[in-house]
Amino acid sequence: DSGVTQTPKHLITATGQRVTLRCSPRSGDLSVYWYQQSLDQGLQFLIQYYNGEERAKGNILERFSAQQFPDLHSELNLSSLELGDSALYFCASSTGRDGAYEQYFGPGTRLTVT
Amino acid sequence: AQSVAQPEDQVNVAEGNPLTVKCTYSVSGNPYLFWYVQYPNRGLQFLLKYITGDNLVKGSYGFEAEFNKSQTSFHLKKPSALVSDSALYFCAVRDFLHNDYKLSFGAGTTVTVRA
Repeated sequence: DSGVTQTPKHLITATGQRVTLRCSPRSGDLSVYWYQQSLDQGLQFLIQYYNGEERAKGNILERFSAQQFPDLHSELNLSSLELGDSALYFCASSTGRDGAYEQYFGPGTRLTVT
Repeated sequence: AQSVAQPEDQVNVAEGNPLTVKCTYSVSGNPYLFWYVQYPNRGLQFLLKYITGDNLVKGSYGFEAEFNKSQTSFHLKKPSALVSDSALYFCAVRDFLHNDYKLSFGAGTTVTVRA
């Protein structure tokens, strides 16, 4: 158990809908990262937050947004969903804000868009 | 641009034999390199990292990795593989020099250890 929790575990929704994925980092970790894992694209970095502020951005679509709250939990919002958004979404956390710290991953949320 | 390559999609070994999972990198500046493992229906688990120092890095579950700057490689090794090592292995790199905190993962290598 990494100490990172994600809810829900599974999510099935229809195209055009909006969903929110939630992540709680390990106790004491200030950085939260979001990743998307799909068969055709592999593991893609989406976005990082550090202590409530956006730190780095990756291949995140404009239809997607995220935020980190004062209690350090984070939410990833996916809107106008398309079939291609079906994937595993992972949250990870780390102690620091730079590249020296290893990331600890949650169990993931499997999103299925029908 | 930073990137890693895992040249083998699959590695098959017999239990008790040495296991090597290959990774090469391409970054500008000094690389921060990581290995992660993903078991079925689970999130990624951190195995080890290289930031600086000794080229041979020891990690979890008996794994180690050797950083080779001249060959731009960071191969993961285990002297004696176990059936329970069967999983998907990811190499990752982060280029710290350019203030880019993005972690780029390789495509992954599926390891199958047969009894």
